[in-house]
Amino acid sequence: GEQVEQLPSILRVQEGSSASINCSYEDSASNYFPWYKQEPGENPKLIIDIRSNMERKQIQELIVLLDKKAKRFSLHITDTQPGDSAMYFCAASVSNNRIFFGDGTQLVVKP
Amino acid sequence: DMKVTQMPRYLIKRMGENVLLECGQDMSHETMYWYRQDPGLGLQLIYISYDVDSNSEGDIPKGYRVSRKKREHFSLILDSAKTNQTSVYFCASSRDWGTYEQYFGPGTRLTVL
Repeated sequence: GEQVEQLPSILRVQEGSSASINCSYEDSASNYFPWYKQEPGENPKLIIDIRSNMERKQIQELIVLLDKKAKRFSLHITDTQPGDSAMYFCAASVSNNRIFFGDGTQLVVKP
Repeated sequence: DMKVTQMPRYLIKRMGENVLLECGQDMSHETMYWYRQDPGLGLQLIYISYDVDSNSEGDIPKGYRVSRKKREHFSLILDSAKTNQTSVYFCASSRDWGTYEQYFGPGTRLTVL
């Protein structure tokens, strides 16, 4: 099945700076790439997603980039705030198939 | 209000006891999932259900079984629980396979002594 690699596993940034999380996948047929945020003690929640017919998507301070040729996608958080501190999961899936999650990135935003 | 519920939220069992974790959703989603998450780690898929009585193994099905007799309910059963099954278990549902948002329940924290 699909394999999704996510790096880094831990990311520490200063408040107000940008944070970037990178993921790669193996199956070139993958066409849906969601990102989930999990705060401590909470359940994962979808924060942004991108489909293969797009290369870039932005929702407020969240930017997702997709490079289908390189089979990579990334999440960029601009102007990070302490409330952005959480575990972030990328994922990839193919239509009519299950979703595959990365192992997660623990983002720590230092005040 | 779209919601996935899990019962119980916390459970302590002794090794060898049977465990029943229950999940419900009010969105008429066809697809439901059970994951486990160990501290600081990712989500491991245990089972996926495509609809009533249509279940498939995920990545770590050993030691678990599931039951889905109604679209809105999906149960995870541990027959003779083991200490290494101590974990947080998340149920999730989605409109269809793969390319739709998954809605996660609040989780069940299971401790097996």
